[in-house]
This record gives sequence, C-alpha cells and structure tokens, in this order.
Amino acid sequence: SYELTQPPSVSVSPGQTARITCSGDSLPQQFVYWSQQKPGQAPVLIIKKDSERPSGIPERFSGSSSGTTVTLTISGVQAEDEADYYCQSADNSGTYWVFGGGTKLTVL
Amino acid sequence: EVHLAESGGGLVQPGRSLRLSCTASGFNFDDYAMHWVRQAPGKGLEWVSSISWNSGNIGYADSVKGRFTISRDNAKNAFYLQMNSLRVEDTAFYYCATEEGWGQGTLVTVSS
Repeated sequence: SYELTQPPSVSVSPGQTARITCSGDSLPQQFVYWSQQKPGQAPVLIIKKDSERPSGIPERFSGSSSGTTVTLTISGVQAEDEADYYCQSADNSGTYWVFGGGTKLTVL
Repeated sequence: EVHLAESGGGLVQPGRSLRLSCTASGFNFDDYAMHWVRQAPGKGLEWVSSISWNSGNIGYADSVKGRFTISRDNAKNAFYLQMNSLRVEDTAFYYCATEEGWGQGTLVTVSS
C-alpha cells in the first residue's frame, strides 16, 4: 500500500523557521495538501496543491516540493503554531487518499 | 468560504448501523470529489472513503470495505456514509473533507 512518511516531531524556538517534510513515491505525480490540527479541534487546511494558501491562512505558512519529498515551511514560528501537521496526497488513480502519520510541532 | 457540516454520529452497539451525512456550502459542490476521514482517540488521520463528483469513481479503505457505503446527492449539496456491521474499532471522530477544507467532525462511538 502507498505510504507517506513524516517525522514524528519537530521542535523550534519562537521566531525561527520550522520545516516539516513528507516523503512518498507518488508525490511527483500527485498534489500534496497540508492540514494543521490543534488539540480537541478539527483539522484545518493550510496548504493545497503543493503550495497554494487558502484564504485566511497566514503568509508564514508555505509549501514546496522536490521530487519525492514535499516540505511545509513555517517562517517566524509563533506559539500558536504548536499543533499536529498532516500531509495528504492520493494514489496514482487519484481515488484513494493517503495521510502521513503526522508531525507534532513543539514551540520551545 | 467553504463550509462542511457533519451529522448523524452517536453511540451504537457493535453490529448495528449508522448513517452519517455531510452538507456543503461555499463552493461548487458538483465539481469536487468528497471524502470521509476518521480519527480514533489519540491517533492520526485515517482515510475512509471517497466519491468522485459524478459518483463514477468510489474507493474504500480496506478496514471498511464491504461494510461502509458512500453516496452523494448533488441536488442537495450533500453526501453520506452508510456504516453497517459496526465494530468497536470504528470508534472515532468522522470528518467530511474536500480539497478545499474540512468539516468539524461527528463522533461515532461503538460500544456495548
């Protein structure tokens, strides 16, 4: 089965840049979406189609891709950014979604 | 603004059925595939099922195949998840989602 791999955790100090990676063999052929989830809340879409920011998402969130790895970058991390982050893509048919295991971002 | 609203969750005994609904607004529903995703307590996100814009392409996770059925009604801007033969391990928050956003979720608890 198709899998996406994320690091379990990333830690940064306030004001620094956080980078969260997501790797998968089919990523060059499929868009990646990133969602943020805070404790007790529903996920929120923060990046769509690799690098587009939905309306209302701060500019400090950005996405990029290179081969089989995509990266979520959070510039100037704030305490409120502490959350779980999930990447999501689809299999080659586009019918089946797949999620990474999630990365817990800790703001020190 | 994209708005998705789930309903139909609740407490149900193992082996029984439940039907979840999701109503959509703020985007052209007919143009989008729709998806159900669940999250068990303390766990990550798990894709459950997807349906294409015209219902011509449908997929299910292995864990629910043969027990769950997805459907949609474009005239009502709604789609559904019929869940039969529920198991304790189906206990989770169920979210409806598109490429444009997420709903707030509905809790399904399967317990005797």
